Amino acid sequence: DADVTQTPRNRITKTGKRIMLECSQTKGHDRMYWYRQDPGLGLRLIYYSFDVKDINKGEISDGYSVSRQAQAKFSLSLESAIPNQTALYFCATSDLRTGSYNEQFFGPGTRLTVL
Amino acid sequence: KQEVTQIPAALSVPEGENLVLNCSFTDSAIYNLQWFRQDPGKGLTSLLLIQSSQREQTSGRLNASLDKSSGRSTLYIAASQPGDSATYLCAVNNYGQNFVFGPGTRLSVLP
Repeated sequence: DADVTQTPRNRITKTGKRIMLECSQTKGHDRMYWYRQDPGLGLRLIYYSFDVKDINKGEISDGYSVSRQAQAKFSLSLESAIPNQTALYFCATSDLRTGSYNEQFFGPGTRLTVL
Repeated sequence: KQEVTQIPAALSVPEGENLVLNCSFTDSAIYNLQWFRQDPGKGLTSLLLIQSSQREQTSGRLNASLDKSSGRSTLYIAASQPGDSATYLCAVNNYGQNFVFGPGTRLSVLP
């Protein structure tokens, strides 16, 4: 089984709808991240969390919110989706505590299309 | 603010060639540097992680080097194969900060 999983893998929604993307990890890592990837713009950080009680905005947090329900779960919400949020979304994890030197591991991605 | 660039943006080589991908960063106070591979529409696969105290790391046909003082890292791929075709990204992690990704190098290895 994959260490970092994302659901759904693909989603088509309409403008104005609320949508949630979920991420789960079995690596026992304390740090979790949400990125979006757009052609020509590379990977950009949306939100990150260094532990269950810690939530931080990234480079492009406007229009998004997150919830860290447990160490292993980190959800990304779009309260009112708009077409320019169409992108490939990735969840990632890392850990400084266990000697893994903060190496990042990525989920398979969620392809989101907002019509 | 850390900025990461990668050269070249795209590269096409015949099978069997040795090749070098370049990553440059502006702030040398890094904690680590990580190289990833990404296939089209897929997630990122970690290839190599170099800690700030290290000069290089090797995994199979891959060798990554790090020169912090000059703000550069290279990924060397030996005896390239068509299966190596993908986009290669480097990411820099500064102390206490998040990761900054380069734009990637798109590699095509022709049979």
